[in-house]
Amino acid sequence: AQKITQTQPGMFVQEKEAVTLDCTYDTSDPSYGLFWYKQPSSGEMIFLIYQGSYDQQNATEGRYSLNFQKARKSANLVISASQLGDSAMYFCAMREVKAAGNKLTFGGGTRVLVKP
Amino acid sequence: DGGITQSPKYLFRKEGQNVTLSCEQNLNHDAMYWYRQDPGQGLRLIYYSQIVNDFQKGDIAEGYSVSREKKESFPLTVTSAQKNPTAFYLCASSLLPQGMKTYEQYFGPGTRLTVT
Repeated sequence: AQKITQTQPGMFVQEKEAVTLDCTYDTSDPSYGLFWYKQPSSGEMIFLIYQGSYDQQNATEGRYSLNFQKARKSANLVISASQLGDSAMYFCAMREVKAAGNKLTFGGGTRVLVKP
Repeated sequence: DGGITQSPKYLFRKEGQNVTLSCEQNLNHDAMYWYRQDPGQGLRLIYYSQIVNDFQKGDIAEGYSVSREKKESFPLTVTSAQKNPTAFYLCASSLLPQGMKTYEQYFGPGTRLTVT
């Protein structure tokens, strides 16, 4: 079974509008962390935001916020006021604390294209 | 500037040849990772290392080998045993997790390997 599922392969968003990227996860570990990364066309992976399974508040970082719904096992990324530079692939990833090391499991990604 | 360097950015090899991809970090991170990314897909873990002279297989280690002789360096060798070596390879590093505290992974710019 997939541990991280991103059901939206691609989406368009109008500049200055908000966009929500879906991410659902599957784990039996009560302790885990969820990450979102951005991958522009150049290829590097840029860390955006992190949510721990025991965090009481939803994480926010500037224009990025994470809509964490633990019971539904979802961790959707919200990008507010989209900019042309937000056009990229976005990946959701999870670290299970019980797993050895600091390994991350990645979803298949969502491609976002911001239209002017 | 602190960061992760990978060289070269593009690499071309003939089938049957081993090739080594370099990864160097000056972030003083204990943990380092190698991922493979195929077109339109997420990242898959090849190998990871948490300490010098020690490393563990990830999800797709067959046909690859690594070494960790120095904290700063984690080279990946793609051997002729790897059936489909053409891919984008990303190196990452992070602090080691402390209990439930998780740290993000920092990524290098990647090496695009083409084997013909």
